[in-house]
Amino acid sequence: NAGVTQTPKFRILKIGQSMTLQCAQDMNHNYMYWYRQDPGMGLKLIYYSVGAGITDKGEVPNGYNVSRSTTEDFPLRLELAAPSQTSVYFCASRGTDSRGIGYTFGSGTRLTVV
Amino acid sequence: AQTVTQSQPEMSVQEAETVTLSCTYDTSESNYYLFWYKQPPSRQMILVIRQEAYKQQNATENRFSVNFQKAAKSFSLKISDSQLGDTAMYFCAFMNYAGNNRKLIWGLGTSLAVNP
Repeated sequence: NAGVTQTPKFRILKIGQSMTLQCAQDMNHNYMYWYRQDPGMGLKLIYYSVGAGITDKGEVPNGYNVSRSTTEDFPLRLELAAPSQTSVYFCASRGTDSRGIGYTFGSGTRLTVV
Repeated sequence: AQTVTQSQPEMSVQEAETVTLSCTYDTSESNYYLFWYKQPPSRQMILVIRQEAYKQQNATENRFSVNFQKAAKSFSLKISDSQLGDTAMYFCAFMNYAGNNRKLIWGLGTSLAVNP
């Protein structure tokens, strides 16, 4: 099924460990986003990309890095995990035609840093 | 900067009844989009309905409709004939038409419980 695929769905990290959250979409969308959702809160933008090779910071980029080597993939890297990064992470993509105004979201990754 | 405010952290409604969720926003832009997203316990973020600011007609999707008041910067969601499956968090979101990134600005959400 076409959509946005995120892996893993759950992960527990120890403080100081690193990991990469994977995100892939098969809709040929140019725009991709990483959001985090803290308990009881809306989503906050971490990083976004408007196309392969182009990335930019969102509201809360500190502690994260991204790359966009292909249109399909947009991995999010956490270096030196901290308890403040405990959150649910959503990847999303968006097309550029009028019907693509709405986002397509992945199912999320629940990350706990202990 | 744009902001989105949802003033009702929690709401409940009886099955088959109608409920309205409130959302206000602040922007100096004239062209933008507004969205309501549903997040059930499965955590999946699902688009419920969207409204283009240049359209005066309120958007409708089956049992879901909006009351878009551009001058008042208000964008409420009405759910008719509420069903148990409507139980979820509902987020209001704003997207500026201008600019390259078209990022979404989110409200804090309203937790809706539909009671049998």
